[in-house]
Amino acid sequence: NAGVTQTPKFQVLKTGQSMTLQCAQDMNHEYMSWYRQDPGMGLRLIHYSVGAGITDQGEVPNGYNVSRSTTEDFPLRLLSAAPSQTSVYFCASRARRETQYFGPGTRLLVL
Amino acid sequence: SQQGEEDPQALSIQEGENATMNCSYKTSINNLQWYRQNSGRGLVHLILIRSNEREKHSGRLRVTLDTSKKSSSLLITASRAADTASYFCATDPYSGAGSYQLTFGKGTKLSVIP
Repeated sequence: NAGVTQTPKFQVLKTGQSMTLQCAQDMNHEYMSWYRQDPGMGLRLIHYSVGAGITDQGEVPNGYNVSRSTTEDFPLRLLSAAPSQTSVYFCASRARRETQYFGPGTRLLVL
Repeated sequence: SQQGEEDPQALSIQEGENATMNCSYKTSINNLQWYRQNSGRGLVHLILIRSNEREKHSGRLRVTLDTSKKSSSLLITASRAADTASYFCATDPYSGAGSYQLTFGKGTKLSVIP
C-alpha cells in the first residue's frame, strides 16, 4: 500500500492564480480531510469528506473548494491564491473511529 | 476551534530522562490519538487509545486516558536525541457530538539534549 499520497511536494504561485492539490489513498478509507499547518497554529481543518459525493467545511474553508467523486481521491482547489494561503497542506484519511494517516504534505508559497 | 490542548508548549530535557506531555479536551470522544512531527516533515501516528481504555504502551511510549478529567498524557521513557520533535494529540469526537473529524492541539515541542 502506498498509503496517502500528495502532489506536488512544493509549489510557488502568484497572487490570483489557481491550482489543485492532489490527494489519493489506497486504503479504502471513508473519511478524508485537508489540513493546513502554519507556525504556532497547529493543524487547522479546511474541508473533509465522509464518503464519495459527501463533503463539508472545516474550520478554515474560505478560498478553497473540494470534491470527492471517488473513494480514493480528494483534491483541494485554490480558487484565487492569496499570500495568506502560504502554508503547508496535509491530506489525511481514516476509517471511522480508527487511526488517521497523513500524506507527506505540500508546501505552498504564494507571492 | 481546537479541541485538544497540549501542555507544556515546549519541553527541554537531557538524553536519558523521561518526558511527559499532557492533553486536555472538552467534549466526549471515541478515541484520542498521539502524533509526532519532526521538523519540516509529516505527521507520524504513535498511539490510538479508545475511550474505554485507561493505559496503552508501545515501546518506550506510555499513554494514559482519564475520561472523567478529559485528559491524556504521553510519557516517553529514556529519551533520545532522535525523540526531538513536536507532539500532537488529536481527539476523535463521539458521533453524537455532530462532528466527524479529528481536531488537533497546537502541540508540545520536545527538545532532547545529547
